[in-house]
Amino acid sequence: GAGVSQSPSNKVTEKGKDVELRCDPISGHTALYWYRQSLGQGLEFLIYFQGNSAPDKSGLPSDRFSAERTGGSVSTLTIQRTQQEDSAVYLCATVIGGSSSYEQYFGPGTRLTVT
Amino acid sequence: ILNVEQSPQSLHVQEGDSTNFTCSFPSSNFYALHWYRWETAKSPEALFVMTLNGDEKKKGRISATLNTKEGYSYLYIKGSQPEDSATYLCAFNAGNNRKLIWGLGTSLAVNP
Repeated sequence: GAGVSQSPSNKVTEKGKDVELRCDPISGHTALYWYRQSLGQGLEFLIYFQGNSAPDKSGLPSDRFSAERTGGSVSTLTIQRTQQEDSAVYLCATVIGGSSSYEQYFGPGTRLTVT
Repeated sequence: ILNVEQSPQSLHVQEGDSTNFTCSFPSSNFYALHWYRWETAKSPEALFVMTLNGDEKKKGRISATLNTKEGYSYLYIKGSQPEDSATYLCAFNAGNNRKLIWGLGTSLAVNP
């Protein structure tokens, strides 16, 4: 398909385990965002990739969170030693360019539940 | 601290009613204001991106206005239909720093 895809769609994991979430962007979109939405909260910015520039990691909540984007395409968000407060919907969004005046195209999200 | 507020938090209307809701944002260093619709079990979908004070945008029965000087945007839905039921999110960007600050959304339910 032509849209943003994410996998898995649902992930249940035990506290303390590591998880890896994947985002496949729209081809040609140079900017990629990761967000999360916890219950009752708004979308929380996590990290931003733009082309070959250094990513903006200012939204990552702790050093247990990391993300990479290989070859300017697929991105993975890794959460190490998961905690119950990490339970949330993790959304990926991509943008055709680097300006905030462009609309974001969202994937369907990964619902992470930490038990 | 930049904050985006949306009101009302939720809204129930009858099919055919027209409705509107508000997004308030800081009026300084404005760069862009985004509106998205998020239907249950789907991805958020962009409705409008607005950058100029006084902007009015329209897509079918949905329109939006922007006042950057006083820091608010209105979203209007004319003749609501059940398929308009969704959460409507707005997001503000200051100074093109690439990050959007998101509101909590207005949840709209349209009863047939």
